[in-house]
Amino acid sequence: AQSVTQPDIHITVSEGASLELRCNYSYGATPYLFWYVQSPGQGLQLLLKYFSGDTLVQGIKGFEAEFKRSQSSFNLRKPSVHWSDAAEYFCAVGAQNTGNQFYFGTGTSLTVIP
Amino acid sequence: KAGVTQTPRYLIKTRGQQVTLSCSPISGHRSVSWYQQTPGQGLQFLFEYFSETQRNKGNFPGRFSGRQFSNSRSEMNVSTLELGDSALYLCASTPGIPGRNEQFFGPGTRLTVL
Repeated sequence: AQSVTQPDIHITVSEGASLELRCNYSYGATPYLFWYVQSPGQGLQLLLKYFSGDTLVQGIKGFEAEFKRSQSSFNLRKPSVHWSDAAEYFCAVGAQNTGNQFYFGTGTSLTVIP
Repeated sequence: KAGVTQTPRYLIKTRGQQVTLSCSPISGHRSVSWYQQTPGQGLQFLFEYFSETQRNKGNFPGRFSGRQFSNSRSEMNVSTLELGDSALYLCASTPGIPGRNEQFFGPGTRLTVL
């Protein structure tokens, strides 16, 4: 069965520090992978996506993620966090044979301290 | 292009009542998916509609139903509301090419069941 695991429920980082949010997935075929961000009271905004090709993908707001097939991971990174990055982050997996059914992790809440 | 819109934004109902939520996708998008978001559970997939047909369904009881109209607008209905149905209900639209399109989310409808 398809599933996504985000092992860190909550992370706190200092402004200017680097960030890595972990995501592991379980999927039988080549996955399509996504990272979304949700600010309080808002819907989800797509940060970046991986369909195929280069395993290091760049997204908006200075985020990047690396697909590692051998580790079934798609971790999100940012070299220098800004206070405005405080939000909930969701990793998701989908694939062509499931139509548009996506599976989401339970999210990682990011707090940024000055 | 206007984004995904959801109405109403907030709802308060009592147990046993029923509720209908509405979602208007981005113009040209043919696929609409619905998710239930609760603290600690993340996003749980409810169902997906494409060209007025339910294409995928999650593991929710039959009290949860939906439909899609010829203009791609979608509604979801929850009958006999229970306290546990209190959640943020998110709608997402995609152009409709299976799997290779990111989902664009609306702001959600916050349902509170008393």
